[in-house]
Amino acid sequence: KAGVTQTPRYLIKTRGQQVTLSCSPISGHRSVSWYQQTPGQGLQFLFEYFSETQRNKGNFPGRFSGRQFSNSRSEMNVSTLELGDSALYLCASSLGGDLSSEKLFFGSGTQLSVL
Amino acid sequence: GESVGLHLPTLSVQEGDNSIINCAYSNSASDYFIWYKQESGKGPQFIIDIRSNMDKRQGQRVTVLLNKTVKHLSLQIAATQPGDSAVYFCAENGGGATNKLIFGTGTLLAVQP
Repeated sequence: KAGVTQTPRYLIKTRGQQVTLSCSPISGHRSVSWYQQTPGQGLQFLFEYFSETQRNKGNFPGRFSGRQFSNSRSEMNVSTLELGDSALYLCASSLGGDLSSEKLFFGSGTQLSVL
Repeated sequence: GESVGLHLPTLSVQEGDNSIINCAYSNSASDYFIWYKQESGKGPQFIIDIRSNMDKRQGQRVTVLLNKTVKHLSLQIAATQPGDSAVYFCAENGGGATNKLIFGTGTLLAVQP
């Protein structure tokens, strides 16, 4: 069974631009979560999608958005990039049924550098 | 200004020894906990989980212990191998009907051959 796939692996953008990251979950998984990982803040939850609906959201500005498609694939978008958005963006998938004890399986991430 | 990076605690062990990685979790309402391993250039990899109705769970070469009284979690790795070298994170669910995970800052495990 293929794992969580994230594309692209690396991205370099300049301030003010926008970026779209893609995530394909494990087959059969209906929930996709996004996390930001930085040396300063560690791993922080961005949002979670289930059945094409945002089910949970972290404390990030509205420049960070996402969506999920009917095949459970997800994208996240960051608009008006800032230097501080440089980070590893991780996608995690899970079955989505038992919210109280979901095992999240992570992809390798997209390393975004904002210049 | 320049951000200060998290100072990762480091545990250095000899190959073949047992390792114990500790974690203090933050939310007394958390009822589900996971340990992840993250190698350089990769995403976090699931190791083992435990629910709050248990105080110990064993996997292959790994054991997780949960002490709810003091909000403490530990990961024990038996016969540590060089391939175990990585950053280890504990994560908690914060309680309630959510699969949003709250991650600890991580511990760097360095295995000396």
